[in-house]
Amino acid sequence: DTGVSQNPRHKITKRGQNVTFRCDPISEHNRLYWYRQTLGQGPEFLTYFQNEAQLEKSRLLSDRFSAERPKGSFSTLEIQRTEQGDSAMYLCASRRESEKLFFGSGTQLSVL
Amino acid sequence: GENVEQHPSTLSVQEGDSAVIKCTYSDSASNYFPWYKQELGKRPQLIIDIRSNVGEKKDQRIAVTLNKTAKHFSLHITETQPEDSAVYFCATSKKDSSYKLIFGSGTRLLVRP
Repeated sequence: DTGVSQNPRHKITKRGQNVTFRCDPISEHNRLYWYRQTLGQGPEFLTYFQNEAQLEKSRLLSDRFSAERPKGSFSTLEIQRTEQGDSAMYLCASRRESEKLFFGSGTQLSVL
Repeated sequence: GENVEQHPSTLSVQEGDSAVIKCTYSDSASNYFPWYKQELGKRPQLIIDIRSNVGEKKDQRIAVTLNKTAKHFSLHITETQPEDSAVYFCATSKKDSSYKLIFGSGTRLLVRP
């Protein structure tokens, strides 16, 4: 599968723990996005990378959230001191110069 | 900021009938309008998109229309089949630093056999 790959698919954690998700975009896609999706809602934009530079962050992204894309390839999203309200599907997407955005299958986070 | 409203939230049609989903947007600078289909537990998948210089685009049983003056666009599915059952999301973006997509809240389509 040469699409956007995300790991893990599911993550269950206790409140207060830190979690990290990984996204491998489609090869040669220089633009990478993180979105959050809750049940019954559309994906909400969290942050955007062009190559290794994080160029935009949503106000939804609190100080407990941090994202990196150190070599302009894969990206990680870390949530520190998780809260029950962080429970959601975290989607990664990538694209090249065209607007067409391709999504991964997501990481489903459950905070107990 | 940009706001995208999508209607209806649920839609039930008989197999073979047509389905229409409508979206309105607020930012007149929006110039790209994709539609995504998301089946339960799966990734959103791009099914059709349209740019602001085009009023209509068709791909087999799926078509999208855009009215820039009224700031609304619609998805039309003809001859619906049970496998069309899914959640459909509209989205918009504009030519800025990120080209990020802003999504509607989704329409759950059920095609009854």
